[in-house]
Amino acid sequence: DVKVTQSSRYLVKRTGEKVFLECVQDMDHENMFWYRQDPGLGLRLIYFSYDVKMKEKGDIPEGYSVSREKKERFSLILESASTNQTSMYLCASSSPLGTENTGELFFGEGSRLTVL
Amino acid sequence: AQSVTQLGSHVSVSEGALVLLRCNYSSSVPPYLFWYVQYPNQGLQLLLKYTSAATLVKGINGFEAEFKKSETSFHLTKPSAHMSDAAEYFCAVTRGGYQKVTFGTGTKLQVIP
Repeated sequence: DVKVTQSSRYLVKRTGEKVFLECVQDMDHENMFWYRQDPGLGLRLIYFSYDVKMKEKGDIPEGYSVSREKKERFSLILESASTNQTSMYLCASSSPLGTENTGELFFGEGSRLTVL
Repeated sequence: AQSVTQLGSHVSVSEGALVLLRCNYSSSVPPYLFWYVQYPNQGLQLLLKYTSAATLVKGINGFEAEFKKSETSFHLTKPSAHMSDAAEYFCAVTRGGYQKVTFGTGTKLQVIP
């Protein structure tokens, strides 16, 4: 069974702390994504990566950075957590569009971060 | 640019009634369209997708959606709601490239016994 695994389901951190959210996929997908989910706002793209060591800003990259050193792993980093970063964070992966791939995203179960 | 609008953040239906969740999209090129479902405390999973083949798309759990280019719509329907359908549903659009996917704001479906 294909899988996207997020390392922590629930985290509680203090303002100013550095936070790492880890995501691993076992489907050999080229593309990986970090979304933030907030009530009434849906999913908003933070960063995405289409290859190892490559990254692109999404719609709300401010306050975040990412790392992709290996194809299967995509990390989201909050350099100095703030209370407005309290949210659900969702990692996803996909293969590039092609004759057999139609862009389906595979999601992890999410990491709920609370910043106090 | 591409965008998705979901009408109604909350929809309530009686068990056995028709489910209709509305989605309108904006895209400058022919889009790929998706519906995802999210059960409580879980990630999203794909319900169905439109990829320029048949305009009526059937998905899992008895859901289907019809792509209407003239109306720029991709509404999700199910003839008879089941209690297990209670979840949040997201419409999404992508137009290729690096597959930057844009999501709607979601519709929470409540099924009343």
